[in-house]
Amino acid sequence: NAGVMQNPRHLVRRRGQEARLRCSPMKGHSHVYWYRQLPEEGLKFMVYLQKENIIDESGMPKERFSAEFPKEGPSILRIQQVVRGDSAAYFCASFGQSSGNTIYFGEGSWLTVV
Amino acid sequence: QQQVKQSPQSLIVQKGGISIINCAYENTAFDYFPWYQQFPGKGPALLIAIRPDVSEKKEGRFTISFNKSAKQFSLHIMDSQPGDSATYFCAARATGNMLTFGGGTRLMVKP
Repeated sequence: NAGVMQNPRHLVRRRGQEARLRCSPMKGHSHVYWYRQLPEEGLKFMVYLQKENIIDESGMPKERFSAEFPKEGPSILRIQQVVRGDSAAYFCASFGQSSGNTIYFGEGSWLTVV
Repeated sequence: QQQVKQSPQSLIVQKGGISIINCAYENTAFDYFPWYQQFPGKGPALLIAIRPDVSEKKEGRFTISFNKSAKQFSLHIMDSQPGDSATYFCAARATGNMLTFGGGTRLMVKP
């Protein structure tokens, strides 16, 4: 849905670099999910955030991955010291009372690690 | 208990036919069941969604059938068109929790 904005759409990083993915939720939405999709596979939950709070990070790898959703500004998914296995599409979704709690996805950020 | 099982993995339908995709779940706390359509290189787009107090919801050519007692729900695409060729994901969520996805169904509609 065009209302959830993700950037960059495509990102190439060398092994060991950091990747930072941004998600601006739809207007009025205060909840954000991050999902990862490997090529030809389904959507795997990573983290659920509310403004300034991490609600559920059970899908996040314990190391190198972190996420935040500050009071002001976009949600950020950060991947430190990237490895080839991090190459995937990362999708953000948002919802809130303004949309009747309907969940909308962004167009994704495609990370390629070379 | 968070799993949502989706079938079939792939489906080929002739133009004008009915496409049927099924999902089953275990968690009785799920209270929201959306279907998403995804084209290659794009994000999942919400197609239609249902809550468990309704047994059927129709929007255009797309219908969700929901069977609460069997813990199953399905998507029916009537008069399937080549432009419907995409991957379809069912999902389920309990309020305040993550959205759990099925494994996806790759639909091909042959002209």
